[in-house]
Amino acid sequence: EVQLVESGGGLVQPGGSLRLSCAASGFTFSIYWMSWVRQAPGKGLEWVANIKEDGSEKYYVDSVKGRFTISRDNAKKSLYLKMNSLRGEDTAVYYCVRGGQTGTPSMDVWGRGTTVSVSS
Amino acid sequence: QSVLTQPPSASGTPGQRVTISCSGSGSNIGSNYVYWYQQLPGTAPKLLVYRNNQRPSGVPDRFSGSKSGTSASLAISGLRSEDEADYYCSTWDDSLFGVVFGGGTKLTVL
Repeated sequence: EVQLVESGGGLVQPGGSLRLSCAASGFTFSIYWMSWVRQAPGKGLEWVANIKEDGSEKYYVDSVKGRFTISRDNAKKSLYLKMNSLRGEDTAVYYCVRGGQTGTPSMDVWGRGTTVSVSS
Repeated sequence: QSVLTQPPSASGTPGQRVTISCSGSGSNIGSNYVYWYQQLPGTAPKLLVYRNNQRPSGVPDRFSGSKSGTSASLAISGLRSEDEADYYCSTWDDSLFGVVFGGGTKLTVL
């Protein structure tokens, strides 16, 4: 079964850091672009970042540039999102997604999400 | 404010046909494929339509997508109660160099 399972969410104070992880199974992880998409409480979807199959290209939404870093370990079939200098507006459910390739961002597999809450 | 504009709500009765619109610009819908996602209450989004009008395996043919110029639409025919969900359009934006989503349309089946 094709599956993505996120972990690492939680409550963090403004200015703090978190590292999200996503474990992939059931498909050849190394041949897919991967992305993170978030959804603030009661709001719509927002693309956060994507990464090429070999990790050589990474792109971010403007609001997280310089604060978030997307990475992957193909040997471990894992995707990561390191989040620094967290703000209240980063509070959201973060989804790990297969796809989101630059130019043709079809996102065909989604995890269940992990919740990040930024509050003092 | 989302880059792509969708109506916040839509509704229909069982068996009806409803259409959800998605409006963009030349740098996004006008020059790239459009994707549609369905998010049932309390669940993760699911890919419904890709490359403007293609359906992934398992998606009923009651769902159809189309695109014209800088706008796209999702049509749902033979509306069913289980279609009640939030629907999002998405595409690539050449100017922003990123993935953009519409604000979402909440579909209610009356």
